[in-house]
Amino acid sequence: SAVISQKPSRDICQRGTSLTIQCQVDSQVTMMFWYRQQPGQSLTLIATANQGSEATYESGFVIDKFPISRPNLTFSTLTVSNMSPEDSSIYLCSAVTGNSYEQYFGPGTRLTVT
Amino acid sequence: AQSVTQLGSHVSVSEGALVLLRCNYSSSVPPYLFWYVQYPNQGLQLLLKYTTGATLVKGINGFEAEFKKSETSFHLTKPSAHMSDAAEYFCAVSESGGSYIPTFGRGTSLIVHP
Repeated sequence: SAVISQKPSRDICQRGTSLTIQCQVDSQVTMMFWYRQQPGQSLTLIATANQGSEATYESGFVIDKFPISRPNLTFSTLTVSNMSPEDSSIYLCSAVTGNSYEQYFGPGTRLTVT
Repeated sequence: AQSVTQLGSHVSVSEGALVLLRCNYSSSVPPYLFWYVQYPNQGLQLLLKYTTGATLVKGINGFEAEFKKSETSFHLTKPSAHMSDAAEYFCAVSESGGSYIPTFGRGTSLIVHP
């Protein structure tokens, strides 16, 4: 199993600014992911965070808007750049361990852009 | 490609009544199936999973689900609802031997009345 923490847990930001969200796992994991969850909706995958290389982005998400780092097997960051109110959402970090298909999730970061 | 359909965005039950949350999937290969629960202001937590073997799987908090290949279903049940079960429930499917990235359903909000 894996325990995932995220910082910050919530933030209120001005439009045009950027916010970096940190994700820390208590053990080495195979894969890490970043999701967005808008109020009352399901999860949308933003990207797979690859260790030591560029993240793999899903359709509709680009590196300039959502730069991601993963310097090691237990840590990743997601930056939401040049924010607009449409970026208001919950951002979730998740991880897969070993060969399990089961995902472990962090508690989420609740972002409000004004 | 895989997909997940959760019937009913909201399900309302009385405390002590049977809980039934429906999930149908499509997958071109044998699926791995999951139910996750999300309590208010928290991340997702795995309730139970089916990978291989027994088709009736038991999870945490008294929940269980049965994999029915002929019906392409993986419905979640609990014999007696408790107020603490009120949450958002997500069904997810991955393709065995494929990507670790699951496809999530849109979620079902379980409301429990006293």
